[in-house]
Amino acid sequence: LAKTTQPISMDSYEGQEVNITCSHNNIATNDYITWYQQFPSQGPRFIIQGYKTKVTNEVASLFIPADRKSSTLSLPRVSLSDTAVYYCLVGEGGTGRRALTFGSGTRLQVQP
Amino acid sequence: KAGVTQTPRYLIKTRGQQVTLSCSPISGHRSVSWYQQTPGQGLQFLFEYFSETQRNKGNFPGRFSGRQFSNSRSEMNVSTLELGDSALYLCASSRTGGDYNEQFFGPGTRLTVL
Repeated sequence: LAKTTQPISMDSYEGQEVNITCSHNNIATNDYITWYQQFPSQGPRFIIQGYKTKVTNEVASLFIPADRKSSTLSLPRVSLSDTAVYYCLVGEGGTGRRALTFGSGTRLQVQP
Repeated sequence: KAGVTQTPRYLIKTRGQQVTLSCSPISGHRSVSWYQQTPGQGLQFLFEYFSETQRNKGNFPGRFSGRQFSNSRSEMNVSTLELGDSALYLCASSRTGGDYNEQFFGPGTRLTVL
């Protein structure tokens, strides 16, 4: 299983861009990178997923360098409601078999 | 479209008892995964079921078991409860279970073992 390493916590202010980097040095060829957001007492919510280069949706962008040993979740212009724990996951894809490992996550605190 | 539902939402048991948790996936989703979340260990994968078969299993003792029915609903059972089993148990569903499919999580069942 590809292990992930993220910062334990980050602080930001409203309106700023936040970049959270995840390391996954032993990522395998079939692995996809997925990010989830979790609010207290709720289940995680899918944010974005990618395999290589850059992926963008209405919520965030995901940057993956060529070696795929790390990835960066970018949240543009955060608001107070973005205060949550963000998880980076690396899992086996393509075969339909899951080997997901949730790391400890990054606790993002957005202040006014 | 209704989301993933889990019942019960809260449960209190005593050591040695057993418990069954239920999860109803989003309609059309065939993969159901279970996770345990505790403050100390974080979010840990228990197992995944797809078409009534366990397809993946995390590193948990045999006291933790599950099953999936033909309508994709899933149950998780924990026997001989221990204090350390107190946790938030989350269920997630996806269409086919491959990692390229996003998982949709339910609100969880908060289990307290006394």
